[in-house]
Amino acid sequence: DTGVSQDPRHKITKRGQNVTFRCDPISEHNRLYWYRQTLGQGPEFLTYFQNEAQLEKSRLLSDRFSAERPKGSFSTLEIQRTEQGDSAMYLCASSSGRGHGYTFGSGTRLTVV
Amino acid sequence: DAKTTQPNSMESNEEEPVHLPCNHSTISGTDYIHWYRQLPSQGPEYVIHGLTSNVNNRMASLAIAEDRKSSTLILHRATLRDAAVYYCIPRTIGGGADGLTFGKGTHLIIQP
Repeated sequence: DTGVSQDPRHKITKRGQNVTFRCDPISEHNRLYWYRQTLGQGPEFLTYFQNEAQLEKSRLLSDRFSAERPKGSFSTLEIQRTEQGDSAMYLCASSSGRGHGYTFGSGTRLTVV
Repeated sequence: DAKTTQPNSMESNEEEPVHLPCNHSTISGTDYIHWYRQLPSQGPEYVIHGLTSNVNNRMASLAIAEDRKSSTLILHRATLRDAAVYYCIPRTIGGGADGLTFGKGTHLIIQP
């Protein structure tokens, strides 16, 4: 297992377009998390899955954002009608439970122009 | 979530020990103290966590105050590769929200 994989690494899109990011967690991890990080700030929690169930969503996750984890394995994060304020690094992490640390991916850097 | 206070930045010399402090005076009895670090252009990396006792692993040691209102991450012999932002994060294990709340962390600079 090579850890948490995120695709793409970089995405440049025009304002108003839709984008989708993919995260492949460590295979035996049942928990998957999405975070967003802007320059100079720590990561901000967006949402969390346990297996295929989305158990928690931050208030940061507006109705333009949707995340899925259809079979409890990989996950996708979609942003509709992107805005310049959506420009950030989107990080995915996975974990095998509350008593364990998270493993983060290297992130997808989104630039909205 | 419990609030944390960390210095914005610290500087140390290569091959010397580094002590990174964190205040978490509002921590609850069920919160573990997690430390993560983030190297430039990478996602955060788990370092260590503990509840009450001091903890050691191959990366670092974690010293937790008896009243649990503060903790110190100890890098025994810093290398240039330890230059990163270090985050101290209380995390509730039982019930409730599971997302980690990151602050701004401490930017550790290592001088050769």
